[in-house]
Amino acid sequence: GQQVMQIPQYQHVQEGEDFTTYCNSSTTLSNIQWYKQRPGGHPVFLIQLVKSGEVKKQKRLTFQFGEAKKNSSLHITATQTTDVGTYFCAGPSGGGTSYGKLTFGQGTILTVHP
Amino acid sequence: SQTIHQWPATLVQPVGSPLSLECTVEGTSNPNLYWYRQAAGRGLQLLFYSVGIGQISSEVPQNLSASRPQDRQFILSSKKLLLSDSGFYLCAWRRTGAGEKLFFGSGTQLSVL
Repeated sequence: GQQVMQIPQYQHVQEGEDFTTYCNSSTTLSNIQWYKQRPGGHPVFLIQLVKSGEVKKQKRLTFQFGEAKKNSSLHITATQTTDVGTYFCAGPSGGGTSYGKLTFGQGTILTVHP
Repeated sequence: SQTIHQWPATLVQPVGSPLSLECTVEGTSNPNLYWYRQAAGRGLQLLFYSVGIGQISSEVPQNLSASRPQDRQFILSSKKLLLSDSGFYLCAWRRTGAGEKLFFGSGTQLSVL
């Protein structure tokens, strides 16, 4: 079945350092979504990428969708303590009619030391 | 605006006891609904999804079941809990069209002892 892999599993940074998490799918994706889960909270949608090679920015966050639509990355510039949490990528499950089912990566846990 | 409610927030149950977790969505009609489980604070595993009343699809064989008695109500159940059922359970609904995304409830932390 489809697999979505994320690396690294953990990332510890000093406040002000940059952070990147990478996502790779075993199959070509029609789109990829990114979510953030704060400690003790629930996942919250960040962004959806649809086009091959697409790059989107949200303030200090830069999201990229690979040309082959099988990989993606999230880069945070100059991390802040508010960036702490787990970042998940997710892609549609299976072919055909997926009914909106998503396969999530295992997530990257980001800790930021002040 | 749309909101999703999930309860209870925390639940401690003995092995062999029944389970019922409820999720309701407001502000939208005929939503696709999902139950995910998150073990040890990591990845999310899709358990069930529903595209309409009475329509349930199971993604993984397990000790749990789901029901959708009303359009905006989704229930996760078990007749007899196992230790391995412990985890963080999340209900979600899907917004379709431009800007497709999942909205998650606040989750239920279930501990089976």
